[in-house]
Amino acid sequence: DTGVSQDPRHKITKRGQNVTFRCDPISEHNRLYWYRQTLGQGPEFLTYFQNEAQLEKSRLLSDRFSAERPKGSFSTLEIQRTEQGDSAMYLCATNGGGGQGISRNTEAFFGQGTRLTVV
Amino acid sequence: AQRVTQPEKLLSVFKGAPVELKCNYSYSGSPELFWYVQYSRQRLQLLLRHISRESIKGFTADLNKGETSFHLKKPFAQEEDSAMYYCAPAGVPHGNKLVFGAGTILRVKS
Repeated sequence: DTGVSQDPRHKITKRGQNVTFRCDPISEHNRLYWYRQTLGQGPEFLTYFQNEAQLEKSRLLSDRFSAERPKGSFSTLEIQRTEQGDSAMYLCATNGGGGQGISRNTEAFFGQGTRLTVV
Repeated sequence: AQRVTQPEKLLSVFKGAPVELKCNYSYSGSPELFWYVQYSRQRLQLLLRHISRESIKGFTADLNKGETSFHLKKPFAQEEDSAMYYCAPAGVPHGNKLVFGAGTILRVKS
């Protein structure tokens, strides 16, 4: 599978534990986005990277959340001291990025997501 | 603020009937508009984008900048069109990140 890959697919954790999710992008894509999706809602933007630089973080991303993209390849999203409200589907998407203006590189490709359940 | 409104949570139609999924947006600059679709047990995927002006799986969408709308239409619905549909603008000033609406479930009945 040459698409965007996320691991794990499912995670059940106890409240207060830390969790880490991984996203492997399509290799030539330099932009990587994290979204969160709760039941009945569309995906909500959390943060994005261009190469290894984290360029924007949503106010949804509390201090307990941190994301990294070392070397501009895979990315990790860590949630510390999880709360029940963190239960959601976490989606990763990537696109070609680069350049100015609108181009075909704006199409985003999504992973299957990681479903987090905090009990 | 960037915002997308999809007023219908669920749209249920009979096979062969016309379909229109509504989308209104608020987005600074000149965004590109997309429709994404999620079929059962599959990942979110692009259905169509306004700049390509093409029909995908019989669906078309016209961007109306005056009304800031991007409604998705299909003249004759098929059962395999049943899915969740999301409208989403994206723009260079905002890192090309997609801003999603709440989505509309399309259910096509036989």
